[in-house]
Amino acid sequence: NAGVMQNPRHLVRRRGQEARLRCSPMKGHSHVYWYRQLPEEGLKFMVYLQKENIIDESGMPKERFSAEFPKEGPSILRIQQVVRGDSAAYFCASSPRDISPQHFGDGTRLSIL
Amino acid sequence: GENVEQHPSTLSVQEGDSAVIKCTYSDSASNYFPWYKQELGKRPQLIIDIRSNVGEKKDQRIAVTLNKTAKHFSLHITETQPEDSAVYFCAASTGFQKLVFGTGTRLLVSP
Repeated sequence: NAGVMQNPRHLVRRRGQEARLRCSPMKGHSHVYWYRQLPEEGLKFMVYLQKENIIDESGMPKERFSAEFPKEGPSILRIQQVVRGDSAAYFCASSPRDISPQHFGDGTRLSIL
Repeated sequence: GENVEQHPSTLSVQEGDSAVIKCTYSDSASNYFPWYKQELGKRPQLIIDIRSNVGEKKDQRIAVTLNKTAKHFSLHITETQPEDSAVYFCAASTGFQKLVFGTGTRLLVSP
């Protein structure tokens, strides 16, 4: 029973490029959450999605960031025109329903040159 | 919105001692309180959680207590072992939705 799968594990981008982070939830899980973690800090909520719906995006910056969870395929967190401050670890978590604990993937470490 | 404070930021204990980490939350509507352990470079791993209708929960050497009136909850680790060394995060949420995390406690267990 595979856990939450995130790829890539490490991603390097130059300022101004686009970053795409992917998350495949655990089998049977239809709820996906994205969090950002800066070095030596806690995790900050970004967005909560169900299949084809964004439920809560209150933690996601209004500009340059977007997220989707299509009917088929993984959830995607997209960052356009990346800046140095976007460097962080981005974690995805999933749950089978909104009354269940969240289980995390291994994260994507994004580095901006 | 919800705000979670966590103390201490670092905690050093000798192997076999107990460790206690405390968190306070601000939103009285919060009803779910998980604890995660994160080793360096690894994923946060759920170690125990508690819902607001329960005051205490135990799982072997780990226990969590919740005081809804005071809006604080604590993680207790007994008989600590070197492999317990990690960063521990508390979190709170309303309805199991977005988690608001504390700032973390770095626990070091010395042999």
